[in-house]
Amino acid sequence: GNSVTQMEGPVTLSEEAFLTINCTYTATGYPSLFWYVQYPGEGLQLLLKATKADDKGSNKGFEATYRKETTSFHLEKGSVQVSDSAVYFCALSDSNAGNNRKLIWGLGTSLAVNP
Amino acid sequence: SAVISQKPSRDICQRGTSLTIQCQVDSQVTMMFWYRQQPGQSLTLIATANQGSEATYESGFVIDKFPISRPNLTFSTLTVSNMSPEDSSIYLCSASGGRGGYTFGSGTRLTVV
Repeated sequence: GNSVTQMEGPVTLSEEAFLTINCTYTATGYPSLFWYVQYPGEGLQLLLKATKADDKGSNKGFEATYRKETTSFHLEKGSVQVSDSAVYFCALSDSNAGNNRKLIWGLGTSLAVNP
Repeated sequence: SAVISQKPSRDICQRGTSLTIQCQVDSQVTMMFWYRQQPGQSLTLIATANQGSEATYESGFVIDKFPISRPNLTFSTLTVSNMSPEDSSIYLCSASGGRGGYTFGSGTRLTVV
C-alpha cells in the first residue's frame, strides 16, 4: 500500500543554517504530495504542495520538488530562523482513491532552531 | 482555501463521560476527516465523513466509541464516548475540497482524568 517515510528527528540547527528534511514515498499512480507544519501548541498548517512530477512547491522560503524518479519530496530551506522551530509532516494523497482522498502521513520531524 | 473553526480547543473530562467536538467550515467541502494525534506522534486517521452517509472508520476505530455526524457540507462533529485516560490526545478535523486541498482545525486537546 501507499506509505511515506520521513527523516527521523529531532533536528537541531543554528539560525541561518541550511535545512533538509528527507521524505520518500511509495504509491501507485500519481499522488499529490504535501508538507504540513505544526508550530508548538497549534494545529496543522499546509506549508506547500505539489501535484505532479517535477512540480516545485514553495512557501515562506521552504521548497520541495516532486521527484518521481526517486520517489522523493525533500523539504529544503536555505536559511532557517528560530521561528521555523516546529514539527514538519510529509504526506501524500492517494490519487486513485476517488472521492475518498485521505492523506497518508509520515511520522513527523521535529526541528529546533537555536539563535 | 477553507477555514475550519474547531471547538472546544481543550477540555478536561472525567472518565466514563463523553465529549463532542465540533468543526465548522466556512465553505462547502466534500470530505471531512477526523484524526487523533498522540503527544509527539504523527496523525492517525479515525474516520472519513461524507455528507449524507455514514462515516467510514479506519481499523481500530468503531462507531460506538467515536460516533460522527455530518449533517451538511459545512459541519461535522466527533464524539468521544465513555472516555478513559487512554483517550487523552489531540483530536483534529480536516476538510478536503477536492484537488488535493486540505485544511485543518486548530485541534482539541483532550485530557481524561
